Amino acid sequence: DAGITQSPRYKITETGRQVTLMCHQTWSHSYMFWYRQDLGHGLRLIYYSAAADITDKGEVPDGYVVSRSKTENFPLTLESATRSQTSVYFCASNPSSGSPGGTDTQYFGPGTRLTVL
Amino acid sequence: GQQLNQSPQSMFIQEGEDVSMNCTSSSIFNTWLWYKQEPGEGPVLLIALYKAGELTSNGRLTAQFGITRKDSFLNISASIPSDVGIYFCGGTSYGKLTFGQGTILTVHP
Repeated sequence: DAGITQSPRYKITETGRQVTLMCHQTWSHSYMFWYRQDLGHGLRLIYYSAAADITDKGEVPDGYVVSRSKTENFPLTLESATRSQTSVYFCASNPSSGSPGGTDTQYFGPGTRLTVL
Repeated sequence: GQQLNQSPQSMFIQEGEDVSMNCTSSSIFNTWLWYKQEPGEGPVLLIALYKAGELTSNGRLTAQFGITRKDSFLNISASIPSDVGIYFCGGTSYGKLTFGQGTILTVHP
């Protein structure tokens, strides 16, 4: 079924471990995004990508690394997880961005709930 | 950076009542979006607004893009229990989406 998927849906890890969250979309959307959602902060942008091999920092990028070797995949890696990175992570995609009058909308995956012990 | 002020933070209403929530900003946005998020799920797009002054409906939902491009509102008419959830506004400017803090809606049968 077409859409945007995330895996795993739930993950428990320990402080200091490396964790990779996967995001896959079947729409061939140009733009992809990673957000984290925390109580009291709403949704905050971590990183985004305008196309394969093009990534840029969002509002809260520290402690995270992204890559985009293929249009459809946008993995997010926590190189050394910390307790403050316990959160729900959402991936989103957008067919086009910044174009006047374009469909500047984002479609979200179901989220990954990450707990860092 | 850009910020959106969404209000109210929460609402407790009776089934059948109408609901209104809004978002304001000091910044201009090119697009206003309204999302609904249910527990354990990602935000789902309800309405997208692309032009200042635009008024768009989606079933019992109506949203408007403010003339100044700095605000938007969402109305839900004749609420039902399945309207429960968190509603987020979002404003986009050159590809960057900024979210409001969300409005938690509770509907009592």
